[in-house]
Amino acid sequence: ETGVTQTPRHLVMGMTNKKSLKCEQHLGHNAMYWYKQSAKKPLELMFVYNFKEQTENNSVPSRFSPECPNSSHLFLHLHTLQPEDSALYLCASSQDPLAGGGNEQFFGPGTRLTVL
Amino acid sequence: GENVEQHPSTLSVQEGDSAVIKCTYSDSASNYFPWYKQELGKGPQLIIDIRSNVGEKKDQRIAVTLNKTAKHFSLHITETQPEDSAVYFCAARPPNNDMRFGAGTRLTVKP
Repeated sequence: ETGVTQTPRHLVMGMTNKKSLKCEQHLGHNAMYWYKQSAKKPLELMFVYNFKEQTENNSVPSRFSPECPNSSHLFLHLHTLQPEDSALYLCASSQDPLAGGGNEQFFGPGTRLTVL
Repeated sequence: GENVEQHPSTLSVQEGDSAVIKCTYSDSASNYFPWYKQELGKGPQLIIDIRSNVGEKKDQRIAVTLNKTAKHFSLHITETQPEDSAVYFCAARPPNNDMRFGAGTRLTVKP
């Protein structure tokens, strides 16, 4: 596979469930991102990892827990979510812009999450 | 922090006409301005970008202009085709900081 892949593509969960979203990039990048995309709103940056270290957490509720075991994989663990968390969750990767890498971010297809 | 506003939120044009989408940004230090196209069921894909040392960039039917003084930049699509129908996002990136995106423009090209 090439580019950025995300699984699952669709997820329906109850408020008491625990689930995880997975992202994998095959581009040799060292920075990975989680974004939340809601209807008619700008993409919201949630977390940033550079070289497996979390460098940004945009005041995201603790019911979202990221994990980056290596520079190619990124997870988003979900527990006790609310209906307003329903959205498209996008993963992206790039070279580390702070280390002089390119600016372009490559996005995966997203996971459409519905919380009942 | 950086704040990006994008207009219009929806745009409908006839096939063959031009489409223009405009964005403004707040942080004068921003130096990188990409445009992404998102088709249904897919993630955003970069279509063109411009850096602050350039005023205009063109790639076939797509062009982007940047006015640093006014802090706005625009996407121009000429000779639109039905396959141009998608949601378009602008973004701005300050140095040593993360990108901020506009809210998106849904472009519909009618055959």
